[in-house]
This record gives sequence, C-alpha cells and structure tokens, in this order.
Amino acid sequence: DADVTQTPRNRITKTGKRIMLECSQTKGHDRMYWYRQDPGLGLQLIYYSFDVKDINKGEISDGYSVSRQAQAKFSLSLESAIPNQTALYFCATSDSPGLGKGDTQYFGPGTRLTVL
Amino acid sequence: GESVGLHLPTLSVQEGDNSIINCAYSNSASDYFIWYKQESGKGPQFIIDIRSNMDKRQGQRVTVLLNKTVKHLSLQIAATQPGDSAVYFCAENFRGAGNMLTFGGGTRLMVKP
Repeated sequence: DADVTQTPRNRITKTGKRIMLECSQTKGHDRMYWYRQDPGLGLQLIYYSFDVKDINKGEISDGYSVSRQAQAKFSLSLESAIPNQTALYFCATSDSPGLGKGDTQYFGPGTRLTVL
Repeated sequence: GESVGLHLPTLSVQEGDNSIINCAYSNSASDYFIWYKQESGKGPQFIIDIRSNMDKRQGQRVTVLLNKTVKHLSLQIAATQPGDSAVYFCAENFRGAGNMLTFGGGTRLMVKP
C-alpha cells in the first residue's frame, strides 16, 4: 500500500552496527506498529504506538527500540545489530477503532534486513 | 525474548478448484476478524473481514465463515487461480487487549497449474 512507506527496502549491515528503519504513512492513522517476519514464519509484534506520546512493547522487543517522531512517522532502531535479527520488517498503521469498528491494519512493503 | 516459531502449513490445490483455509482463533471474546493475503516479498494485504455478530460474509470469489462455538474461522476461495498463491493470515480483534489485532500463524497456499 503506497500510503505506508518504509525505508530502506533492503539493508545489509554488520554485527554491532546501529541500524534505523523508518516508516511513514499518509493515511492519517493514529496507530502504528512494527512487526518482524522470519522466513517461512508468521508475524511477531515488536513495538506499537497508539498515538505520538504512546509507546508499547510487543512480544519480541528485546534488542529493539522505537521512536514516534510524529503522527505520520514511526522508526525502529537496532542499537547493536546481531545476525539473528536478520529478517523482514513490516510497519503497519490503523485508525483508532471506534464503536463497532475493529483494528484493521494496513502494511508497508517491508524492509529486508541482513546482519552479517 | 525467544519465541518458538512453527513453519507455515501448506495447502496445495489444483487451479480451478476451490480452496478452504482454516484458522483457529484463541479468544472467545474477540469481536472482529480479518483475513490477510501476503504475496512473496510483499506486505500483508487486507482481503475480507467479518464481525462476531455474523457467521458468513462474501466478497469477490472469497467467503469467510465464522463458527464462534468452536472458535474457528475459514476462508474459502472459489475457482482458485495462480495469482492466489500466497500466505494467508487470519487475525482476531479483542477489545480487552488494547482493541488491537492478534495474528495467527498463517497458511501457505500453492496453486498447481
């Protein structure tokens, strides 16, 4: 979905390097999410943010940090990358669910990260 | 922390046949469900949703069935085409858990020509 963009799309780095993955959205959504996907596996939630001042850990937050710079921007950092962080990383956004509405998430195209 | 991942189950169907992809959800209080399609190298895309007050919803070539008694969701794809080859994820929405989606493990659909 072009409304959710991720940069870079591909990144190769070395163990110990600091890496930042960026996500921007033009959907005007309050909520943003970072997921990790390993080859052949499902989605694991790393961090999520319900608004600019709200940051929450997901199921696999160790080794990662995030920053919600604005409603439209949510970045994911690996302070000291390690090889087992090699994976696909997806950003997603959703509108705050109102009465009778669910948390429909819209995903970006993903960032393929390789840590050597 | 560590999490144990299970490799995706695979469903292989002949082109033109109907496909049925199943999902067992975890929370009986979940009130909204979504099916996503993820093609190779792309992000998951919304296919169809259903609310807990319904047991069936139809889209274009797709039907979602919800059985709340056994906490089961299925996605039926009619006349499966090669372009349907992808990984399919179900997701449930539970208002008590921050009112956000929880994703299932996914199923890989392979369409044989």
